[in-house]
Amino acid sequence: GIQVEQSPPDLILQEGANSTLRCNFSDSVNNLQWFHQNPWGQLINLFYIPSGTKQNGRLSATTVATERYSLLYISSSQTTDSGVYFCAVLISSGSARQLTFGSGTQLTVLP
Amino acid sequence: DVKVTQSSRYLVKRTGEKVFLECVQDMDHENMFWYRQDPGLGLRLIYFSYDVKMKEKGDIPEGYSVSREKKERFSLILESASTNQTSMYLCASRPPSGSWYEQYFGPGTRLTVT
Repeated sequence: GIQVEQSPPDLILQEGANSTLRCNFSDSVNNLQWFHQNPWGQLINLFYIPSGTKQNGRLSATTVATERYSLLYISSSQTTDSGVYFCAVLISSGSARQLTFGSGTQLTVLP
Repeated sequence: DVKVTQSSRYLVKRTGEKVFLECVQDMDHENMFWYRQDPGLGLRLIYFSYDVKMKEKGDIPEGYSVSREKKERFSLILESASTNQTSMYLCASRPPSGSWYEQYFGPGTRLTVT
């Protein structure tokens, strides 16, 4: 099956710094999502980004599907950005579609 | 707002016990999912259901079963809990296939099997 790899596995930043998280996938996909899991465990959709670039406030994401990677940019990081960031791709299985997740990047933003 | 709730945030069970994890969503979604999350492994799909009484195995179904008797409720069952099932369990639901990327997650249940 398709492999989804994220880097770095852990990242510690000082508040105000910028960061880039990377997601590589082993096969061609026409869909990709980024999620944020806050320190209390709640997982939230950030971006659906099969290709191109999207921005939402201090966060932006770029997917280059032909080269099989996606990047999540966090600018002027805040302590509330801490948590785990996952990328996931959609695969078809049986009668439904399901997400395959990467192993995540644990981000800690220090005050 | 879509709401996905799970019956417990924290649960401690003994080896060999039968464990039920309940998930309820209030948006009439057809698709529901159970994942487990372990450090360094991300989220792995255990089972999913695309309709009442329908279920399909995910990537790691061994040691688990599921039940979907009503559209809003999807239960994960550990028939005989073992210590290697200690994990965070996340439930999710999703609207019909036209909006597959709108997946909503519950807050998670952290299960410890001793």
